Amino acid sequence: AQSVSQHNHHVILSEAASLELGCNYSYGGTVNLFWYVQYPGQHLQLLLKYFSGDPLVKGIKGFEAEFIKSKFSFNLRKPSVQWSDTAEYFCAVRRQAGTALIFGKGTTLSVSS
Amino acid sequence: EPEVTQTPSHQVTQMGQEVILRCVPISNHLYFYWYRQILGQKVEFLVSFYNNEISEKSEIFDDQFSVERPDGSNFTLKIRSTKLEDSAMYFCASTPGTGVYEQYFGPGTRLTVT
Repeated sequence: AQSVSQHNHHVILSEAASLELGCNYSYGGTVNLFWYVQYPGQHLQLLLKYFSGDPLVKGIKGFEAEFIKSKFSFNLRKPSVQWSDTAEYFCAVRRQAGTALIFGKGTTLSVSS
Repeated sequence: EPEVTQTPSHQVTQMGQEVILRCVPISNHLYFYWYRQILGQKVEFLVSFYNNEISEKSEIFDDQFSVERPDGSNFTLKIRSTKLEDSAMYFCASTPGTGVYEQYFGPGTRLTVT
């Protein structure tokens, strides 16, 4: 069955530190890849998405992610985090032919100022 | 910016009762979804809906669940006889189509079954 693994359950960083959150999926076919963020008390918002083309995608708020097909990975990065980046981050995969999003368990990011 | 809305934000019900969770998708969207997140676990897909019928459902979406688009704006999830394990956050989402579109999520309804 298709699955998504997020390696880090809780990440704690100081402001200005660099961030990388891991995401691996298990599905051999073509996939669409997403990172969603959920700020405290708010709903899921799209950070960035990959459908095709350049495997390095840039999203909102300075986030980027790199799709590495050979590693079935879609890691999220940000060079310098801010306190306002404190949130839950979810990686999600969608089979191109289907419509359901398969989510990872999420990573809680806590940034101290 | 258009948003998906959900009501109520929090619903408390007793085991065995029926609940209806309501969602208003973004107005020009055609595909609608329900997901749930049990506390401490991942967001799980329940069902997708298009053209007034279910287009995809997960194994979680058993006979206890049903969805409906009763009018041109609302999209509902009904749980016929709630169980303790139905306690979760339920998210509605919508998208214009199945192509290169993201899903837009609502704020969720927290369902507590006692």
